Amino acid sequence: QKEVEQDPGPLSVPEGAIVSLNCTYSNSAFQYFMWYRQYSRKGPELLMYTYSSGNKEDGRFTAQVDKSSKYISLFIRDSQPSDSATYLCAMKKDTGRRALTFGSGTRLQVQP
Amino acid sequence: EAQVTQNPRYLITVTGKKLTVTCSQNMNHEYMSWYRQDPGLGLRQIYYSMNVEVTDKGDVPEGYKVSRKEKRNFPLILESPSPNQTSLYFCASRAGTGGTGELFFGEGSRLTVL
Repeated sequence: QKEVEQDPGPLSVPEGAIVSLNCTYSNSAFQYFMWYRQYSRKGPELLMYTYSSGNKEDGRFTAQVDKSSKYISLFIRDSQPSDSATYLCAMKKDTGRRALTFGSGTRLQVQP
Repeated sequence: EAQVTQNPRYLITVTGKKLTVTCSQNMNHEYMSWYRQDPGLGLRQIYYSMNVEVTDKGDVPEGYKVSRKEKRNFPLILESPSPNQTSLYFCASRAGTGGTGELFFGEGSRLTVL
């Protein structure tokens, strides 16, 4: 079983919809949670970063962490065609040398 | 412009023919890393470097070598490529040696080994 599970999609929504992207994880030691966005033929770029549980908002994006359920979410309000990309969750146990553990990504398509 | 540059972006080679994928960053970052991305498996770390002359294995190091002779460069070497190394490769860098800063990725190098 993978440490981090993410539905691969594709998830197709109309422009303006609220999008919910999710990851579940099995290791309760994860404390640092990130969402990366990856456009086609590009490298991932950091979108949101959260430490421990709670919510974080940045413009149309909200990241939510529920450590008790081992579940993280990324919400996109008023989705735009430019949001069409693959969204990767990533997490880390500590500030040490270990790498991030990535989900396999969810492909999102926002239809105009 | 701050960036991580990888070359080549696309490469087709044959089994056993040594190749090097170059990576250079212009942000003076201490930490650099190589990942491979495969469908359904996500990004997996191959090797990383905390600073010049300091490298260490990631989760999937078999069949790869790296070196860090200069701070800005971190080449990935496949001494004898095999078809199971066909993948999309990303170089990434991060400021400092602590583990939670933003990773900056290159645009990727798609390698096919026949």
